[in-house]
Amino acid sequence: NAGVTQTPKFRVLKTGQSMTLLCAQDMNHEYMYWYRQDPGMGLRLIHYSVGEGTTAKGEVPDGYNVSRLKKQNFLLGLESAAPSQTSVYFCASKGQPNQPQHFGDGTRLSIL
Amino acid sequence: RKEVEQDPGPFNVPEGATVAFNCTYSNSASQSFFWYRQDCRKEPKLLMSVYSSGNEDGRFTAQLNRASQYISLLIRDSKLSDSATYLCAVNPSKAAGNKLTFGGGTRVLVKP
Repeated sequence: NAGVTQTPKFRVLKTGQSMTLLCAQDMNHEYMYWYRQDPGMGLRLIHYSVGEGTTAKGEVPDGYNVSRLKKQNFLLGLESAAPSQTSVYFCASKGQPNQPQHFGDGTRLSIL
Repeated sequence: RKEVEQDPGPFNVPEGATVAFNCTYSNSASQSFFWYRQDCRKEPKLLMSVYSSGNEDGRFTAQLNRASQYISLLIRDSKLSDSATYLCAVNPSKAAGNKLTFGGGTRVLVKP
């Protein structure tokens, strides 16, 4: 049971580099979410998607872009990484509106 | 006022004791409620959904008080393995795009 899979698990970037984080779910879920979690800040929603081909901004979208070309995948892009984007990134998905979200095991990203 | 608030703790609990803590939410139209458990540097994992009539899962009991706008989690017969951060999550309303708003978490430390 794969559930929600995030790749990569760890990454170190230099300021200004770009990268894409991949989230894949095998539960046929409609809704997918990207969060970042920083000490003392809790989970903050970056972007989310309510279905294939749709995306929307969350609480902290600046500096990030997303795409949901396939229902099972939700990509988070950093076009020009900044040290402030050093964080742990979690992806989550859910099937129905009032159901809970299920999380991937996170990507630890450090930007130097 | 934050949308969802939790006492950050830590709650230091003797093994075998009972501990309870609350999570307050500001939007009276909130639709659904959940408790998650998060271990250090790991992803949040669903502990239980919170139903209007209250619900119990083994040693864990969750309750919803709509009048005072809070949910609660009670842990009986605490085990060392219950040490974790407990996050509450609230779906603010149907108009919120089925997003969850998370509290900052309550840290529980169970000691021998």
